[in-house]
Amino acid sequence: GQNIDQPTEMTATEGAIVQINCTYQTSGFNGLFWYQQHAGEAPTFLSYNVLDGLEEKGRFSSFLSRSKGYSYLLLKELQMKDSASYLCAVTDSNYQLIWGAGTKLIIKP
Amino acid sequence: GAVVSQHPSRVICKSGTSVKIECRSLDFQATTMFWYRQFPKQSLMLMATSNEGSKATYEQGVEKDKFLINHASLTLSTLTVTSAHPEDSSFYICSARGAIAGEFYEQYFGPGTRLTVT
Repeated sequence: GQNIDQPTEMTATEGAIVQINCTYQTSGFNGLFWYQQHAGEAPTFLSYNVLDGLEEKGRFSSFLSRSKGYSYLLLKELQMKDSASYLCAVTDSNYQLIWGAGTKLIIKP
Repeated sequence: GAVVSQHPSRVICKSGTSVKIECRSLDFQATTMFWYRQFPKQSLMLMATSNEGSKATYEQGVEKDKFLINHASLTLSTLTVTSAHPEDSSFYICSARGAIAGEFYEQYFGPGTRLTVT
């Protein structure tokens, strides 16, 4: 079956750095997405990786290792507004998005 | 970036009635639209995938006669919840994927519709 695993919840301090991990097992791979979702709102796109390596976009970076079926989202200089759920999603061989359950990130002052 | 709108944002209806939710891609042609449902503190659950001009493909466990999907044009898809019951109360989110030059297969999400059935 297809499976995406990420931690249920993480807590970090304002101004710090946090890394959210995602491992996946899917039938085929055509890219990995990270989305941010605030409570009661729809997900918003953060990043996309299809090749191995690190993609940096401002305070957010995303890493992919296809051989390990592994990705992480790195958030730097955490702000209170970063408190949200972070969803990892993988596009399989049929270009269907397979979703992880999401990681709830709690930022404390 | 691409924009997807959804209407209404919130709706309250009585048990047994039907509710229609619209999803529109505003600045691109959405060849494929997806309908998701999300219960509190849970992840997105894909309900169905629809391609313009063809019947929707429903995920296992989703009743196609209860959740009617119409993807009549490249910019509009509708989800009708028929004979709604309180257990249908949820957050319904649509997303759209189009053939945008230079873009990968990103899905653009609408803002969601909060359905409450009383």
